[in-house]
Amino acid sequence: QQQVKQSPQSLIVQKGGISIINCAYENTAFDYFPWYQQFPGKGPALLIAIRPDVSEKKEGRFTISFNKSAKQFSLHIMDSQPGDSATYFCAASITSNQFYFGTGTSLTVIP
Amino acid sequence: DAGITQSPRHKVTETGTPVTLRCHQTENHRYMYWYRQDPGHGLRLIHYSYGVKDTDKGEVSDGYSVSRSKTEDFLLTLESATSSQTSVYFCAISAGQGNYGYTFGSGTRLTVV
Repeated sequence: QQQVKQSPQSLIVQKGGISIINCAYENTAFDYFPWYQQFPGKGPALLIAIRPDVSEKKEGRFTISFNKSAKQFSLHIMDSQPGDSATYFCAASITSNQFYFGTGTSLTVIP
Repeated sequence: DAGITQSPRHKVTETGTPVTLRCHQTENHRYMYWYRQDPGHGLRLIHYSYGVKDTDKGEVSDGYSVSRSKTEDFLLTLESATSSQTSVYFCAISAGQGNYGYTFGSGTRLTVV
């Protein structure tokens, strides 16, 4: 079964808008929640990550919001740009040995 | 991607043939991983290694074997390729326990016909 559920599957946003991708998990033992960005023909690259002891982490235009009680976390991309068009994966890990990935969200930012 | 190379980048093979994919790293990282990426499934762990000759299974290990005879090389073998193993395979490396920084290779697109 899918350990981490991600939505939506695809997302189209106008340039300058806010992109929001959501993930939910069940295993409360997860202690690390990264987001990966993947461009066509490339491997995923770490974008931003959060641990469950904080509710929000911001790096530039990218913010993770974390709701421990609801077992949900989300990625917000502010002022979305065409260069942000990519597939985004959320993930969760108990130790650093195994990550469980969401099914991915294909983001298209329209100029 | 810097420090990690996968080969080949593309391969077409016939059902029933053995196939070996190679991951090579120059970072001297202890941990190496093989994932497969399929639409609707995201990335799923096949096998990982936590040192030379030390490997363990991931969530989708059936039909795959791995070997790590040197720190820098991690091989993934499909014993007898099936069409269900058509996928994009990614290798990843990390420095080790407690270090959550993964670096992924550029992937190998494998088609089994």
